[in-house]
Amino acid sequence: LAKTTQPISMDSYEGQEVNITCSHNNIATNDYITWYQQFPSQGPRFIIQGYKTKVTNEVASLFIPADRKSSTLSLPRVSLSDTAVYYCLVGDMNSGYSTLTFGKGTMLLVSP
Amino acid sequence: NAGVTQTPKFRVLKTGQSMTLLCAQDMNHEYMYWYRQDPGMGLRLIHYSVGEGTTAKGEVPDGYNVSRLKKQNFLLGLESAAPSQTSVYFCASSIPITRDGYTFGSGTRLTVV
Repeated sequence: LAKTTQPISMDSYEGQEVNITCSHNNIATNDYITWYQQFPSQGPRFIIQGYKTKVTNEVASLFIPADRKSSTLSLPRVSLSDTAVYYCLVGDMNSGYSTLTFGKGTMLLVSP
Repeated sequence: NAGVTQTPKFRVLKTGQSMTLLCAQDMNHEYMYWYRQDPGMGLRLIHYSVGEGTTAKGEVPDGYNVSRLKKQNFLLGLESAAPSQTSVYFCASSIPITRDGYTFGSGTRLTVV
């Protein structure tokens, strides 16, 4: 079971690009990397998922180097509404995520 | 498009009382999960189900029981509530090989006094 390490908190200002890095040194061959976002009093929300290189959607980009021992979630031009906790998860997609663990995540605070 | 619905949203129990939390999903998902989240902590998996009639233990199963009698419903029971079970409970569902991750409910805030 791959363990992930990410910063406890990050601060940013509106309009800036935010990059949150997650370390997963023991990632297995079948593991994918997934990021979730959680606002206060809400359940986590799926943001993006990837296996290698770069993945981009309307919300964020995910950069994964060739050795896959880390990944970086990139949020372009953040706004106040991006203030949330961001979780990095690693796991085998074929397991149905039944053994995935949400760590403490990274608390991102965006200021005016 | 309701997604995952949790009932109730809030509840206060006295120590020793029992209750059942209901999770319902309308996405025809095979897998369902119950997590708890304590202040400043991540989510911890309590129990999960990979299909109707099946359940399995997660990371913190003690003090909880679950049932999945219908595909769309996943029930979490507390037989004898304890203050340590004060938490926010989240239900989630997914398809077996998921490229879109979990879909979570909005949570149930439970306080045991």
